[in-house]
Amino acid sequence: EPEVTQTPSHQVTQMGQEVILRCVPISNHLYFYWYRQILGQKVEFLVSFYNNEISEKSEIFDDQFSVERPDGSNFTLKIRSTKLEDSAMYFCASSEARFRSGEKLFFGSGTQLSVL
Amino acid sequence: TQLLEQSPQFLSIQEGENLTVYCNSSSVFSSLQWYRQEPGEGPVLLVTVVTGGEVKKLKRLTFQFGDARKDSSLHITAAQPGDTGLYLCAGAKQAGTALIFGKGTTLSVSS
Repeated sequence: EPEVTQTPSHQVTQMGQEVILRCVPISNHLYFYWYRQILGQKVEFLVSFYNNEISEKSEIFDDQFSVERPDGSNFTLKIRSTKLEDSAMYFCASSEARFRSGEKLFFGSGTQLSVL
Repeated sequence: TQLLEQSPQFLSIQEGENLTVYCNSSSVFSSLQWYRQEPGEGPVLLVTVVTGGEVKKLKRLTFQFGDARKDSSLHITAAQPGDTGLYLCAGAKQAGTALIFGKGTTLSVSS
């Protein structure tokens, strides 16, 4: 079965540094998402992306965050100046069509970001 | 902000027992999904329920969407150690909008 691939699996960074989390969605998928999960808390939506632009974002996704699809395969999440509270597991997801009732969302295995 | 409340938060049972976990909200959802998440992995979709009152079965798992589309339940019959994991419900208020997740129920099935 096709899968969403995320790299790196673990990322450790110093507070204030920039990080880029990388994702390779499933090849024929058109909609891409980032979610995060702080340890012990629920999975939270960050942003959805379609046709090279953001289609929806949450309050968490402030000016420190940005997303990009630099080529035909990668989908990245950049955090410009990391804060301690950015430490979380970040999940990339993709879907073949716009998520609607019944549409299947495929999640990657996540990148564990630790900000020191 | 809509909340999806899952209960219980933790459940530890013996192999062969039946169990039900719940997902409740005060808001109406266009659809609800149930995911299972293993440690160090992303959530994996189990089922999507769309119609109020809908019941779906996946082997020993039975999923139900409340008539008012505000709640859902997952029932596992004759639980096995392989059922151990974190079960998440997630809902979309409207088709095409972001999923809202509950905090999950951590299930442990011992042999």
